[in-house]
Amino acid sequence: EDKVVQSPLSLVVHEGDTVTLNCSYEVTNFRSLLWYKQEKKAPTFLFMLTSSGIEKKSGRLSSILDKKELFSILNITATQTGDSAVYLCAVGGGGSNYKLTFGKGTLLTVNP
Amino acid sequence: NAGVTQTPKFRILKIGQSMTLQCAQDMNHNYMYWYRQDPGMGLKLIYYSVGAGITDKGEVPNGYNVSRSTTEDFPLRLELAAPSQTSVYFCASSYSNSPLHFGNGTRLTVT
Repeated sequence: EDKVVQSPLSLVVHEGDTVTLNCSYEVTNFRSLLWYKQEKKAPTFLFMLTSSGIEKKSGRLSSILDKKELFSILNITATQTGDSAVYLCAVGGGGSNYKLTFGKGTLLTVNP
Repeated sequence: NAGVTQTPKFRILKIGQSMTLQCAQDMNHNYMYWYRQDPGMGLKLIYYSVGAGITDKGEVPNGYNVSRSTTEDFPLRLELAAPSQTSVYFCASSYSNSPLHFGNGTRLTVT
């Protein structure tokens, strides 16, 4: 059975702090790993990673994948209150990108 | 461009009632999905479709049915609602091998 484990499950920081969210996985025929941000409603896409060691970056957010050790990290620098959300990690396995297995998410709270 | 539209936003059902959750997308995506999200849990795949006329079971299909008669629409049917189906339901769509786009969800309570 495919498995995605995120840690920590929740995290409280102050504005300006840097945070690292973790995602480890066990899937058959790995295809991709995706990060989503979920505020009140729909998850919104952040990154899709398919190759080891290549960092994806968007503003203060960045992510990297290690396919040998089967994990990914999501970094957020200079956090803002608007970064408060649940961050979901999902992995496409079984040779496809479309059947995703999701982790339980990390609830990030950024206090002013 | 509306993206993925789900209706209704909220619904309360009595045990044994039936209902259909509607999902429509206007991005011409061939893939569509239904997920459920329970508190503190990740999203679980209920059903998915790789194109009109083709559907397949996901991880938690029991108690649900789907159909895909057009590219745009992918309704989810609950025939005999049970308290275990209380959840938030998300519809999503994508091209093959591309990230999923999610709707805003339907919050369903079965009492």
